[in-house]
Amino acid sequence: AAGVIQSPRHLIKEKRETATLKCYPIPRHDTVYWYQQGPGQDPQFLISFYEKMQSDKGSIPDRFSAQQFSDYHSELNMSSLELGDSALYFCASTLRLNGGETQYFGPGTRLLVL
Amino acid sequence: KNEVEQSPQNLTAQEGEFITINCSYSVGISALHWLQQHPGGGIVSLFMLSSGKKKHGRLIATINIQEKHSSLHITASHPRDSAVYICAVVSMDSNYQLIWGAGTKLIIKP
Repeated sequence: AAGVIQSPRHLIKEKRETATLKCYPIPRHDTVYWYQQGPGQDPQFLISFYEKMQSDKGSIPDRFSAQQFSDYHSELNMSSLELGDSALYFCASTLRLNGGETQYFGPGTRLLVL
Repeated sequence: KNEVEQSPQNLTAQEGEFITINCSYSVGISALHWLQQHPGGGIVSLFMLSSGKKKHGRLIATINIQEKHSSLHITASHPRDSAVYICAVVSMDSNYQLIWGAGTKLIIKP
């Protein structure tokens, strides 16, 4: 069965650069969540989208923006990167119409800011 | 006080031992996840529970909704079970966001 796909899997950027992370949810899933996990930290919720509209906003910095497109894939855009943005970024998807409790996680994108 | 608390934070055991990891939560939930994260970082969902008990191979997860408590058990533990085990709850208050526990780092020695 198709799983959540994230790209790229690894990314190295320098300070003040920009980065775009992509998430392709499981087909027919209507909700996407983004999480950030710093080294040795718990995952932190960043933002979620339901039916292409922003649903909830967590601890997402103003330098970051995200959107969900008509094909339900989502992109997390990160600008003016800082060293502290180095983390593992997870995307998860669910079908909210089915209850939405089961989130399926992508493999993550590991971002390193130098 | 964290909304989701796990214990122990770290656990080292010998191969073959029975392992129990506990999770307590203080918010209203619609479901609870047990997740496994290996050193490479990828997260795998082991169980999603809303009541009772589930078993998958050597893993058993239970939840007591009244007591707001869940346990993950590993029988006949093996070194490949070494990972971080995370309890995360689906909050009823905030559009199904996951609230994460701090994780339990499990090391199984041969």
